[in-house]
Amino acid sequence: KAGVTQTPRYLIKTRGQQVTLSCSPISGHRSVSWYQQTPGQGLQFLFEYFSETQRNKGNFPGRFSGRQFSNSRSEMNVSTLELGDSALYLCASSSGAGGSYEQYFGPGTRLTVT
Amino acid sequence: GQNIDQPTEMTATEGAIVQINCTYQTSGFNGLFWYQQHAGEAPTFLSYNVLDGLEEKGRFSSFLSRSKGYSYLLLKELQMKDSASYLCAVRDSGGYQKVTFGIGTKLQVIP
Repeated sequence: KAGVTQTPRYLIKTRGQQVTLSCSPISGHRSVSWYQQTPGQGLQFLFEYFSETQRNKGNFPGRFSGRQFSNSRSEMNVSTLELGDSALYLCASSSGAGGSYEQYFGPGTRLTVT
Repeated sequence: GQNIDQPTEMTATEGAIVQINCTYQTSGFNGLFWYQQHAGEAPTFLSYNVLDGLEEKGRFSSFLSRSKGYSYLLLKELQMKDSASYLCAVRDSGGYQKVTFGIGTKLQVIP
């Protein structure tokens, strides 16, 4: 079974621009979560989608948004980029939501904002 | 909400045993995860505890005490490849059972 894939792997953007990141979960997985990882803050939860519905949302500004498609693929969008948005963005999928379902992480998208 | 505390760094010797602690304060609890993350790689699942006690998986064991809001990950017979960050994550018991991660403990194994 193929793992979680994320595209692109690396991205350089300028302040004020917007960016869209993509995540394809493991086949059959319906839950997709997004995290921002920085050295000082660790993994910060952005949002979780299950069957095209947003289940959970972290404490990020409205510039961060996401969606999930009927094939469970998910996209995350960040508008009006700021320097502080530079981070590794990780996507994780699981076969179910809640309980003991562990998450399988993709390799991440490294976003640099200049 | 959740508040999770772990030591930021630890050093241990190859062949030794190391215990990585995690404490949490939560308004609701529905399980605790440990993940391993090597530098430049994605986190990978190690263990899940929802009941009190010790779960053993080969060289790795994880312990949970719900009344104390405390967990630890025990690594035995340390190998150089165990040098990585170890992330503690708690799932809450609210309707949507969000997972919150600690900042992670960077473990360095030295010869």
